[in-house]
Amino acid sequence: DIQMTQSPSSVSASVGDRVIITCRASQGISSRLGWYQQKPGRAPKVLIYSASSLHSGVPSRFSGSGSGTDFTLIIDTLQPEDFATYYCQQSNSFPLTFGGGTRVEIK
Amino acid sequence: QVQLQESGPGLVKPSETLSLTCTVSGDSIGSGDYHWAWIRQPPGKGLEWIGNTHNGGNPFYNSPLKSRVTISVDTSKKRFSLRVNSVTAADTAVYYCARHPPYLPFDSWGQGILVAV
Repeated sequence: DIQMTQSPSSVSASVGDRVIITCRASQGISSRLGWYQQKPGRAPKVLIYSASSLHSGVPSRFSGSGSGTDFTLIIDTLQPEDFATYYCQQSNSFPLTFGGGTRVEIK
Repeated sequence: QVQLQESGPGLVKPSETLSLTCTVSGDSIGSGDYHWAWIRQPPGKGLEWIGNTHNGGNPFYNSPLKSRVTISVDTSKKRFSLRVNSVTAADTAVYYCARHPPYLPFDSWGQGILVAV
């Protein structure tokens, strides 16, 4: 199974900050990585697919990069609605696996 | 626009079987364009993929659950189902159904249903 390791597990930030979240796969997954945002009591929403492609309707302050085993999600100019938990997920092979999540909290 | 909706009992007794259904509107489960999946999230914890079905083929299951899980599809009724046998308190979670294109992330999710054991 491919293990997905996210860091940090939580981050405190202020509105306007830049937040960087990393995700490492235990083996190469090419660019078959997605990022999700989840708010309390809601289903996750996809932000990024194929490591760096912005899903339809997602603000451009979200960006993704990486390939192989190391990936990054960047949130530029953090907005109040961005305080949430973020997950990465590999879609390269079964079993599909998620990272443990990064909680972005208000500083 | 595709919509997915989970349904089923919110409370299951230990050792019994958890049964959920996902009803799909706005898309065809049998089209072959997407995989259809179940994912769960224990309270306060992360996401766990349970299994996938695609185009009527054999489902894929997550190994820790494989011996207790069955995913089936009723294409004519536009729904797919999840059964988890011999449940314990560890199976308490919000259960989501979702779809994804091959090799891409889950792009549509149901609202989720909390099942307590």
